[in-house]
Amino acid sequence: QVTLRESGPALVKPTQTLTLTCTFSGFSLSTSGMCVSWIRQPPGKALEWLARIDWDDDKYYSTSLKTRLTISKDTSKNQVVLTMTNMDPVDTATYYCARMGPSCYAYYFDYWGQGTLVTVSS
Amino acid sequence: QSALTQPASVSGSPGQSITISCTGTSSDVGSYNLVSWYQQHPGKAPKLMIYEVSKRPSGVSNRFSGSKSGNTASLTISGLQAEDEADYYCCSYAGSSTFGVFGTGTKVTVL
Repeated sequence: QVTLRESGPALVKPTQTLTLTCTFSGFSLSTSGMCVSWIRQPPGKALEWLARIDWDDDKYYSTSLKTRLTISKDTSKNQVVLTMTNMDPVDTATYYCARMGPSCYAYYFDYWGQGTLVTVSS
Repeated sequence: QSALTQPASVSGSPGQSITISCTGTSSDVGSYNLVSWYQQHPGKAPKLMIYEVSKRPSGVSNRFSGSKSGNTASLTISGLQAEDEADYYCCSYAGSSTFGVFGTGTKVTVL
């Protein structure tokens, strides 16, 4: 059974760096063809893809946010970490991690975490 | 990369069929048969309903179907039920390592 769960601060101040962790089970990022993405959704607004990391440590970022994002993985802990620098109130959103499945070449998101709401405010 | 365009809202009575459109460009929807659709109930995570334009994951009702013509993809819900009331988002691969361009979202209301 595949599950994902996001964790991180609920509140960050403007200009701070956000660090979110996705802890997953039911698959391994050491398995060829596996990858995990981060997606966010501002309150009442649409979904936005942010970043992806592959089993072989290839990384991909949203063009518009590329300079602020870093994605990494800890295969031994079944975790994927997303950092976003220079947070702004417009970054207030629910952040989801999702598996791109059943392989990276599927180009759809088959399992999602429940999401974590991050508010950016002083 | 701009978001795909969806109608803000679509409504229908129980038992009716509705169709949600998702309009992109020749760089995303028009170039790849890699459109997926997600259902999202309030306060919940999105749920995959359709992938690769018209394929249904195991467990998704066959009342949901997808299609594509040119730069526009469509999701049809037949035999509309109260539980179908939710937000729906389309998503397309857009090449150049852009793995998810989402639509603007459509709120489906069951009258």
